[in-house]
Amino acid sequence: DTEVTQTPKHLVMGMTNKKSLKCEQHMGHRAMYWYKQKAKKPPELMFVYSYEKLSINESVPSRFSPECPNSSLLNLHLHALQPEDSALYLCASSQPTENTEAFFGQGTRLTVV
Amino acid sequence: LAKTTQPISMDSYEGQEVNITCSHNNIATNDYITWYQQFPSQGPRFIIQGYKTKVTNEVASLFIPADRKSSTLSLPRVSLSDTAVYYCLVVSYSSASKIIFGSGTRLSIRP
Repeated sequence: DTEVTQTPKHLVMGMTNKKSLKCEQHMGHRAMYWYKQKAKKPPELMFVYSYEKLSINESVPSRFSPECPNSSLLNLHLHALQPEDSALYLCASSQPTENTEAFFGQGTRLTVV
Repeated sequence: LAKTTQPISMDSYEGQEVNITCSHNNIATNDYITWYQQFPSQGPRFIIQGYKTKVTNEVASLFIPADRKSSTLSLPRVSLSDTAVYYCLVVSYSSASKIIFGSGTRLSIRP
């Protein structure tokens, strides 16, 4: 199984809502990532978890809150988002060692209204 | 992390070989060169990775000169389905790897 599964595929939320994005992998990878991608732009790294601990936060606003409950799951909790946060949110996983590839999910298309 | 520079866009025709060059002048000793492909509304997909000289797999070849300040992704005999954005990345692997994407090359293949 070389899949990274993200749910939901699409999400529309109001600026006062609280929602969560979910990501799951069963490849035994111990590094997991969240990216944000706007149209016609490259993916922007948001967070990196290594061995279930947050190791990199790329100065992401606190309205985005990541969580890694176990080595297979990664969540992104969303609260009080702005319309400019609308984007494709991508999850990825890899082994935190040399010479390995990262596997990406299909993403969650988020629209904030 | 070394910054990468690659052409914004390229056009080619079916059946041709396409070479996309990436510049990474500040690459460090421990860095690997990695290429990803991305189709619209999908996550990026790993294509190939190398450290030096030449690497080949079933999809592409990666050529890296001795100074490692640039690299060339070669796609043999492209088809319409190779139309995508191709990203060149320089990755330093550690327990907390930063996989940072540059601006990418938008490749369009015509019949």
